[in-house]
Parts: sequence; structure tokens; C-alpha cells
Amino acid sequence: QKEVEQNSGPLSVPEGAIASLNCTYSDRGSQSFFWYRQYSGKSPELIMSIYSNGDKEDGRFTAQLNKASQYVSLLIRDSQPSDSATYLCAVNNPGGFKTIFGAGTRLFVKA
Amino acid sequence: ETGVTQSPTHLIKTRGQQVTLRCSSQSGHNTVSWYQQALGQGPQFIFQYYREEENGRGNFPPRFSGLQFPNYSSELNVNALELDDSALYLCASSLGQVEQRTYEQYFGPGTRLTVT
Repeated sequence: QKEVEQNSGPLSVPEGAIASLNCTYSDRGSQSFFWYRQYSGKSPELIMSIYSNGDKEDGRFTAQLNKASQYVSLLIRDSQPSDSATYLCAVNNPGGFKTIFGAGTRLFVKA
Repeated sequence: ETGVTQSPTHLIKTRGQQVTLRCSSQSGHNTVSWYQQALGQGPQFIFQYYREEENGRGNFPPRFSGLQFPNYSSELNVNALELDDSALYLCASSLGQVEQRTYEQYFGPGTRLTVT
């Protein structure tokens, strides 16, 4: 079992729709969770962090965390073609010093 | 506020050679982590430096080593290069270990290493 698992996609959604990206993790002691966006040929960019169970909203982005199910998700509302990228889920080990990334989900937003 | 910078941007080396990659952390950040990202994969954790000491290491052999300097800039050294070392090497800086928010990492643009 991979430490952080994501559906590789591609996930294709029409412009204006909600894109839903999912991630599961294996270490129940993990406390810090992140979503990064990576455009082709560029480095990852932090878009959301979440530390407590529930939802956290920032503009068009909502991160959801369920520690009991070891599940993290990212919702992107009113998806735009500029949102087309690879979305990386990242989880810190309980000690905090090691960040484990999933392989990423490719998202395509069709105009 | 100055972001994370890395040098060089691209590098081509021959198998068996040694390479040094450099990273300047974001202003105010005292923690630097290095990652290797192969094509189509997520970044793989190599190691982290906090206040000039190695703070944790991933599953990479000892020929991957690093340093952090008093100004919190950092180097990644790779000896005896292998073909599989060809990848994008990413440096990320963060505030440290005071509270959870300080685990948020900000990446530099990366160094693309090709080993032939």
C-alpha cells in the first residue's frame, strides 16, 4: 500500500463545473495535510493546508479532511481552464519533518 | 519578500561524476527540504535541514548528502551519478517546527539534472 494514494486521472471537467480530487493516506498519526498545484514544467505551488477534521475554504478551493477515514479531498468550484494542472496531495509524517507526496492527479478543464 | 531560488536551472553530467545543486531559502525561513521528482511522479523526500543540521532523511543512499549554511541556504551533493538520478531536483523552504503552520513549504523552480 502506498503511503499517499491519488487517482492519476486525467480528470476532465467542463468550465464552470466543480472538480473533486481525492487522496488517501496510510499513517494514522499524520497531522498536517497539503494540496499543491503543479503546472507542466514548473515546480509545485502550495494552494491549501488543513490540520483539523472538516472543511477549510479559500476562495474557489475547499479542502476536506476526515482523519478517521484517512481521507483528504480538494474541491475546486467554478473550474477555469487555468486550473488545468497536476494536483499533488502531501502528508507530513507524525514527526513533521518528512512530507510524503502522492503521484498527483491531472486535471483538465475544458473551455 | 524574496522567494526560493535554485541554481543551476539545468545540468548535464556523465555517469560516475559528482554534482552540487544550490538553494537559497525564502526570507525568514530556517528549514530546507530537498526532493527528487521523476517524470510523472510526485516529489520524493531526500532530506531536511533545520538550523544547519540534518533533521530527517528519506530512502536515498549515502551518496546523496547535503549542507545548510548559517544564512539557511543549502546544497545537495550527489556522488557517483547514475542514469536513474536524472530528474528534477526541488528545494523547499519553511518556517521551522514551532507550530503546524510552519510545515507549509514553498518550492524553488528546481534544477533539471540529466545524467548520460
